[in-house]
Amino acid sequence: DAKTTQPNSMESNEEEPVHLPCNHSTISGTDYIHWYRQLPSQGPEYVIHGLTSNVNNRMASLAIAEDRKSSTLILHRATLRDAAVYYCILRDPLNRDDKIIFGKGTRLHILP
Amino acid sequence: ETGVTQTPRHLVMGMTNKKSLKCEQHLGHNAMYWYKQSAKKPLELMFVYSLEERVENNSVPSRFSPECPNSSHLFLHLHTLQPEDSALYLCASSQDRRYTQYFGPGTRLTVL
Repeated sequence: DAKTTQPNSMESNEEEPVHLPCNHSTISGTDYIHWYRQLPSQGPEYVIHGLTSNVNNRMASLAIAEDRKSSTLILHRATLRDAAVYYCILRDPLNRDDKIIFGKGTRLHILP
Repeated sequence: ETGVTQTPRHLVMGMTNKKSLKCEQHLGHNAMYWYKQSAKKPLELMFVYSLEERVENNSVPSRFSPECPNSSHLFLHLHTLQPEDSALYLCASSQDRRYTQYFGPGTRLTVL
């Protein structure tokens, strides 16, 4: 399975943008890049996903490198409620047996 | 509220007890999953059900026994557990195995 690499932890100030990096140098042509996050004492929740083009939704933006070997999740204005573990995951929709493989993710701390 | 509920939220049991964890999804999904999250370890996929048929069992000990009586309900029956089985057990569902997964809040299990 293709793997991703993320920093163990990051820190940001409240109301500032946050850029969470992810490296996936062995990504295949059919892999989508997904991000989930896990807030304290909760199950993971879907954040965003993309294939090649940058993507935006109400929660975040996803910037994907031209060679697709890395991507960045962008929280435009972090709040204390964004403190969570963020997981970068590769998924292949053409694989009927595809499954989510969670790594350790990045623990994001938000400073008030 | 993700549309996936789990009961109980907390469970303490002795090693000789038998208990069951329940998961219910109100999303009309066809795939359901059990994950285990131990302290300081990534989420581990335990079982996958698709259209009520178990399609994956990731080398989980037989003291964990899943049951999927219909597409909306998933159980995890527990018997003669060990203290190292103490963890957060998460249920998830998705439209099919390739789609976004929606997680419940988890059951925090403590085995004494």
